[in-house]
Amino acid sequence: QVQLVESGGGEVQPGGSLRLSCAASGFTFSTYAMHWVRQAPGRGLEWVTFIQYDGTFKYYTDSVKGRFTVSRDTSKNTLYLQMNSLRTEDTAVYYCAKDHFTGSTIDSWGQGTLVTVSS
Amino acid sequence: QPVLTQSPSASASLGASVKLTCTLSSGHSRYTIAWHQQKPDKGPRYLMKVNSDGSHNRGDGIPDRFSGSSSGTERYLTISSLQSEDEADYYCQTWGTGLWVFGGGTKLTVL
Repeated sequence: QVQLVESGGGEVQPGGSLRLSCAASGFTFSTYAMHWVRQAPGRGLEWVTFIQYDGTFKYYTDSVKGRFTVSRDTSKNTLYLQMNSLRTEDTAVYYCAKDHFTGSTIDSWGQGTLVTVSS
Repeated sequence: QPVLTQSPSASASLGASVKLTCTLSSGHSRYTIAWHQQKPDKGPRYLMKVNSDGSHNRGDGIPDRFSGSSSGTERYLTISSLQSEDEADYYCQTWGTGLWVFGGGTKLTVL
């Protein structure tokens, strides 16, 4: 079955950087688009970024454009999120999620990794 | 781009049925949405996809107590024979050109 395991979360100061990873298994990683979705403490789900199955198309929510970069390594079945210039409002649990195909519904989720931005 | 609206809370009794609503913004009546369940301190879980014609496709392992339907700009999630384990937050989700959106979520309490 599909497994998505995030790692790389932690505490960082405002202005700092962090890279999240998501190890994927149980499906053909190279043929599915992927997402990162976050959830601030006590808040709802917020979509962050999308990457097409072959990495050709990437989309970001406005609040992270120019600061976050999504990428994927098919040889390692791993999705990444490079987060720079972090702000306190980026504090959230970050979930890796699998798209149903190449840009539609999300149909699988990881367990999440917590990112805390605090001085 | 679509916007999704959900009531913040709902409640129903053990063994009863409940119908949760997700409303698409005007002009987006043909959009497909997905329903996701999130239990306290857990990651979300995909439940199903609901199309504008009311057809729905449940995810793997989702019991048939969960069903979807549609009317105009409204998409529904009906849970029958409510169990205590159904107490959770429920989110709808859709997508547009270059963005994906979630509703604010409905907190379901099983009485």
